[in-house]
Amino acid sequence: EAQVTQNPRYLITVTGKKLTVTCSQNMNHEYMSWYRQDPGLGLRQIYYSMNVEVTDKGDVPEGYKVSRKEKRNFPLILESPSPNQTSLYFCASSWKQGGLGGYTFGSGTRLTVV
Amino acid sequence: GENVEQHPSTLSVQEGDSAVIKCTYSDSASNYFPWYKQELGKGPQLIIDIRSNVGEKKDQRIAVTLNKTAKHFSLHITETQPEDSAVYFCAANMFSGGYNKLIFGAGTRLAVHP
Repeated sequence: EAQVTQNPRYLITVTGKKLTVTCSQNMNHEYMSWYRQDPGLGLRQIYYSMNVEVTDKGDVPEGYKVSRKEKRNFPLILESPSPNQTSLYFCASSWKQGGLGGYTFGSGTRLTVV
Repeated sequence: GENVEQHPSTLSVQEGDSAVIKCTYSDSASNYFPWYKQELGKGPQLIIDIRSNVGEKKDQRIAVTLNKTAKHFSLHITETQPEDSAVYFCAANMFSGGYNKLIFGAGTRLAVHP
């Protein structure tokens, strides 16, 4: 089954404790992206990747890092999480750049930073 | 920058009624307009999209219309059913730094009552 797999689904952490949210896709898509979803703000892009070793900032990149060492994996790293990063996070992949043609989204990671 | 406004933020209808969600965009160069449905506890899923070379597209009970002159597009759901209850997001593409990206609306929570 074509899918994007994120882990963990739920995470509660403390301010300043580094964490990684993993994302993996099995569709051989070149384009991958991370979004955060907040009430009243919709989905905002954090980082995206055009291909292996090619990443760039989205609209809200502050406080986040990403890497793309393999085509299928695109982890999101929070080096020093803060409470304003409490949010619902989605990884997505697309066969076309920028999500044109449609994204496949993961099931989401609900992060709480206390 | 590109902005996508979505209305209403919540919508409540009786089963069998029609539901309409409207979005406006600001970038006249936008040419791809997808709609996503997000069910509780899941990631958004593409349900229909339209490109700027057509004015309307239908898929069973859902349809999308596009008015490029007025820069707005709408999602129409006919004969609504309880399983249509979800959050719906519209989006429009924009070109930034030579790359395409999607800008999402804030979402509409649709409740269909039996």
